Amino acid sequence: QSVLTQPPSVSGAPGQRVTISCTGSSSNIGAGYDVQWYQQFPGTAPKLLINANNNRPSGVPDRFSGSKSGTSASLAITGLQAEDEADYYCQSYDSSLSGSVFGGGTKLTVL
Amino acid sequence: QVQLQESGPGLVKPSETLSLICTVSAYSISSGYSWGWIRQPPGKGLDWIGNFHHGGSPYYSPSLKSRVTISLDTSKNQFSLNLTSVTAADTAVYYCARTPRDRGSNWFDSWGQGILVTVSS
Repeated sequence: QSVLTQPPSVSGAPGQRVTISCTGSSSNIGAGYDVQWYQQFPGTAPKLLINANNNRPSGVPDRFSGSKSGTSASLAITGLQAEDEADYYCQSYDSSLSGSVFGGGTKLTVL
Repeated sequence: QVQLQESGPGLVKPSETLSLICTVSAYSISSGYSWGWIRQPPGKGLDWIGNFHHGGSPYYSPSLKSRVTISLDTSKNQFSLNLTSVTAADTAVYYCARTPRDRGSNWFDSWGQGILVTVSS
């Protein structure tokens, strides 16, 4: 059971917009700690996609955006492309556990 | 561009100690940043193991704290992971990664390629 809760899967057609939610609690997201998002393709290491809730590292397309409100955060992907099909993980810091925590991951399928 | 590379045995026997090394290139681990380990059991999600910032003290996931040690070797620009008394539940791909801060809000901005460690007799 992950500390951060994500839907196991989401899907969308090419060109559409999809969102992936990440729900935490008062000891992590709700406490004001930043949320990060990672993209992982099969057999490869995760790649930082969004840090500090809504910042895109250099090289990340602006089709990816992050937001945070209360104890939850969301990753939005607009103009969905076949190459976006991957697993996505949210991550934050938890004060009760005194360390980083991850969501269980969401598999994005492009129809 | 910093690069990280994990190395170590791919097979460990139950009850023994899992030992991995992460070699960092193009950045000195004593110059800043924090250095961490994350693992991913086959077909499952990511689990944070622990972090160590040069000049600070290591901190670990509560679920692994009694069995894990992370160390820095600045002379070799490496950091290591030791996990004792392993069981089949410790079978996973182990990643080393870099974070910009010691604690609190943090993100893993550079990752190694990962190494699969299987616990089996």
